[in-house]
Amino acid sequence: AQSVSQHNHHVILSEAASLELGCNYSYGGTVNLFWYVQYPGQHLQLLLKYFSGDPLVKGIKGFEAEFIKSKFSFNLRKPSVQWSDTAEYFCAVPSSGGSYIPTFGRGTSLIVHP
Amino acid sequence: NAGVTQTPKFRVLKTGQSMTLLCAQDMNHEYMYWYRQDPGMGLRLIHYSVGEGTTAKGEVPDGYNVSRLKKQNFLLGLESAAPSQTSVYFCASSRQGGFYEQYFGPGTRLTVT
Repeated sequence: AQSVSQHNHHVILSEAASLELGCNYSYGGTVNLFWYVQYPGQHLQLLLKYFSGDPLVKGIKGFEAEFIKSKFSFNLRKPSVQWSDTAEYFCAVPSSGGSYIPTFGRGTSLIVHP
Repeated sequence: NAGVTQTPKFRVLKTGQSMTLLCAQDMNHEYMYWYRQDPGMGLRLIHYSVGEGTTAKGEVPDGYNVSRLKKQNFLLGLESAAPSQTSVYFCASSRQGGFYEQYFGPGTRLTVT
């Protein structure tokens, strides 16, 4: 079965610092890859997604992610974080089962100090 | 276009009571999901549906039942609530399975005392 690992569970940064959150998945077939963000007290919303083509994907609010097929990774990056980026970040991929139900990582809690 | 809506937003139950959470989507999506979110546990899939009239168990189905009688609605039932079911519940929908973006509802915060 597909699994998703997010290695950083809690990240604390100061404003203007660079961010990289790791995401690794186990299934080597065709994958669509997603990052979702959950701001405090809110529901999850899509940050960015990779379906095919350019492995460097740009999302909302200056976020980007790079799909590296050989490493089964889809790391999220932002060159300069802001206080408003404080949130929980989830990586997701389709499962390898017949229904291709989304499989989520455990999430990374990001706190940005002003 | 409301997207995904959930009712109620908050609820407090006593142990043993029952309740139903309603999820509705207006995007004509085939797939619908119920998740629970607990601190440090991420999102855990309770049940899901791949189309009207179908339901399937997810990762943590015990103590919950679901129904999808209409394509736009997905109901989550707790027959006999337990304190361990205190959580935030999110409904989501997607056009098909995990190859498509999921759209989430605002959540229901449930406390069982």
